[in-house]
Amino acid sequence: AQKITQTQPGMFVQEKEAVTLDCTYDTSDPSYGLFWYKQPSSGEMIFLIYQGSYDQQNATEGRYSLNFQKARKSANLVISASQLGDSAMYFCAMREHNTGNQFYFGTGTSLTVIP
Amino acid sequence: DAGITQSPRYKITETGRQVTLMCHQTWSHSYMFWYRQDLGHGLRLIYYSAAADITDKGEVPDGYVVSRSKTENFPLTLESATRSQTSVYFCASSETVNTEAFFGQGTRLTVV
Repeated sequence: AQKITQTQPGMFVQEKEAVTLDCTYDTSDPSYGLFWYKQPSSGEMIFLIYQGSYDQQNATEGRYSLNFQKARKSANLVISASQLGDSAMYFCAMREHNTGNQFYFGTGTSLTVIP
Repeated sequence: DAGITQSPRYKITETGRQVTLMCHQTWSHSYMFWYRQDLGHGLRLIYYSAAADITDKGEVPDGYVVSRSKTENFPLTLESATRSQTSVYFCASSETVNTEAFFGQGTRLTVV
């Protein structure tokens, strides 16, 4: 079974609007971390935001926030006030703390910001 | 230079040849990872390591070998390259299980 599922291969958003990128995960480990990365066309992987499974509040980092719904096993990334520079691939990832510490990634969502 | 570096950045090799991709990090991070990135598949974990001399298989280990005799180095070897191993390979490291992984620049490998 897929550990991380990103169901939106491509998304479009108008500049200055907010956008939500979906991510669901599958784990039976009670302790885990969820991550989002950005990959611009230049190819580097840029860490955006982290949410621990025991964190009570949703993580936020500037214009990025993570909508963590533990019971639904979802960890959606919200980007507010989109900018042209946000156009990139976005990857959701999970790390299970008690079952091997492997770092699983989803297939990614390609976001295009329209001026 | 501080950080995580991969070499070479680009490599073309022939089917059946052995090729080694290098990864070096300067932070003394415990955890290191190798991924391959292919269109439509995202990043798939090949091998990972929790410390020197401790390595384990990921999702797609077949055809690859790793070693980690020193904390800072984590080379990936394709024992007998096949065309299906044409991909972009990323190495990454993280300090703890709760911290983000930092990625190298990637190695674009073409097997002809």
